[in-house]
Amino acid sequence: DGGITQSPKYLFRKEGQNVTLSCEQNLNHDAMYWYRQDPGQGLRLIYYSQIVNDFQKGDIAEGYSVSREKKESFPLTVTSAQKNPTAFYLCASSGGANYGYTFGSGTRLTVV
Amino acid sequence: AQSVTQLGSHVSVSEGALVLLRCNYSSSVPPYLFWYVQYPNQGLQLLLKYTSAATLVKGINGFEAEFKKSETSFHLTKPSAHMSDAAEYFCAVSRYNFNKFYFGSGTKLNVKP
Repeated sequence: DGGITQSPKYLFRKEGQNVTLSCEQNLNHDAMYWYRQDPGQGLRLIYYSQIVNDFQKGDIAEGYSVSREKKESFPLTVTSAQKNPTAFYLCASSGGANYGYTFGSGTRLTVV
Repeated sequence: AQSVTQLGSHVSVSEGALVLLRCNYSSSVPPYLFWYVQYPNQGLQLLLKYTSAATLVKGINGFEAEFKKSETSFHLTKPSAHMSDAAEYFCAVSRYNFNKFYFGSGTKLNVKP
């Protein structure tokens, strides 16, 4: 079955460390997205990519970086510059504006 | 510019009662509209979508929504709530040839026995 796989499900990081969250899709979608979710704040867009080797900053890109070397993969790196990284991170892909998003199951990152 | 407003961050209903979750949008062009459901510690799942066909859209789990252009609304309803409907619900908007989506802040639905 086609879908999006995010790994790991839970991730713990020490302060000052970078960490990379994985997102892989086999839906043949061109567009992929990263969102951050905090209680009471809905979904906030971090980065998105509409084509391989190209990506754009979303609303809260500071302290994050991404790459899009393959159509199937859109990893997110949470750098030590992100001041409050503890959150639930969601990856999504889209086959077009009228199709909506397909979401992964999320990664919960906790800084310890 | 596009935006989505969900009225009520928390809604509580009794089992068997009508569910009504409100969503209003602003869009400069005809929109595509979506409702998603999220269970704790999971991703979002598409419930239904409006893409300029029928204004009354039926989705999964007995939910439906009606697009009302004059009211710029896309409210989600279900005639009879089940305990399993307890979750957070998000409304989202996009438009033709614009592959970016805007989400509302979410409504948590509580279903009382």
